[in-house]
Amino acid sequence: SQKIEQNSEALNIQEGKTATLTCNYTNYSPAYLQWYRQDPGRGPVFLLLIRENEKEKRKERLKVTFDTTLKQSLFHITASQPADSATYLCALAPLGTYKYIFGTGTRLKVLA
Amino acid sequence: EAQVTQNPRYLITVTGKKLTVTCSQNMNHEYMSWYRQDPGLGLRQIYYSMNVEVTDKGDVPEGYKVSRKEKRNFPLILESPSPNQTSLYFCASSLIKGTSTDTQYFGPGTRLTVL
Repeated sequence: SQKIEQNSEALNIQEGKTATLTCNYTNYSPAYLQWYRQDPGRGPVFLLLIRENEKEKRKERLKVTFDTTLKQSLFHITASQPADSATYLCALAPLGTYKYIFGTGTRLKVLA
Repeated sequence: EAQVTQNPRYLITVTGKKLTVTCSQNMNHEYMSWYRQDPGLGLRQIYYSMNVEVTDKGDVPEGYKVSRKEKRNFPLILESPSPNQTSLYFCASSLIKGTSTDTQYFGPGTRLTVL
């Protein structure tokens, strides 16, 4: 079956460290993959998009990698801050469809 | 301000009483979509619309209807709500689906409780 998985366990890290979140998918051929941030009770907010032919994308302290062989995307937040605490969602757009498929999200808590 | 608005934000209703959740965007986006979010299941797409009068099913369309008569509006209709439709609902829009600049903008959410 087709699915997209994120670590459902919460991730606690110390302020200043690098947080790494994982998104794995099976049986999809995504044209691109997106990462969103969601705060409690609010709608997701777009962070980064990475295409299938891109290995890495950066935006300020954020970095995303995309390995279509491993069917995996990694999301890194460097020099993490307590304000980075949120749930992070990955989403992919399967080739040939107009749908979006979201992972269940990983809750990140950055400890001061 | 560019935004997606949803109304109502909170709704408690009873089984079988038809309801509509409105969604509007002011960004002239072509693509609009509805999601529901449930604990442990994440965001699941209900319906989407590529443009006016063009709609299609997402992964969980049962029990829902949509319409897209104007570009800016995409209402979600529950003809006969049931308790299993209790959820947090999000509307989203993007300029053009499927491009490398594809970015979804989400509304603030509607928390629906069906008794």
